[in-house]
Amino acid sequence: NAGVTQTPKFQVLKTGQSMTLQCAQDMNHNSMYWYRQDPGMGLRLIYYSASEGTTDKGEVPNGYNVSRLNKREFSLRLESAAPSQTSVYFCASGSPGYEAFFGQGTRLTVV
Amino acid sequence: GESVGLHLPTLSVQEGDNSIINCAYSNSASDYFIWYKQESGKGPQFIIDIRSNMDKRQGQRVTVLLNKTVKHLSLQIAATQPGDSAVYFCAERRINAGNMLTFGGGTRLMVKP
Repeated sequence: NAGVTQTPKFQVLKTGQSMTLQCAQDMNHNSMYWYRQDPGMGLRLIYYSASEGTTDKGEVPNGYNVSRLNKREFSLRLESAAPSQTSVYFCASGSPGYEAFFGQGTRLTVV
Repeated sequence: GESVGLHLPTLSVQEGDNSIINCAYSNSASDYFIWYKQESGKGPQFIIDIRSNMDKRQGQRVTVLLNKTVKHLSLQIAATQPGDSAVYFCAERRINAGNMLTFGGGTRLMVKP
């Protein structure tokens, strides 16, 4: 099992460009999450999907959109990237009442 | 507002000593708590969890204590080793928020040889 796979691992964008971060899990989990982690900080929840077909805002959703494409995949889109979105992005998946498993992260720099 | 937070940003311990990392939470509706370890350049890794109907749970060299009266969570690491050096996060799941999982700010544990 690969667990949670994120692509790409690194990305540099210019201000105003758009991009989609991809996430896939092979553990048959219902819930999936997107977090951002700024240097020396904790993880802040951007969006989550409790189950296929549903998405909800987390703590810091502004500037992002998500799509729960199917049970396996949950993508995060930046429509118009800003330097404030420079961060490491983590995707996670889990089942209710159990721990979430994390991917290795996408390091995004917006210049 | 509702939050999960940590008392100490950095904890330095001698190899072989026990470590205690603390976490405070404010939402009494939270039903599940998790401790994660994050090494540099990696995603968080699960260490141990505890449900709100328990006050203590033990794993291999780790123990989590939950005090619902004061909304406090702690992670105890016995005989701390250099490989335990990392940032530790507590996370909280809320039954009234669609399985949303939120994190505290993290504590960096540094183990001195």
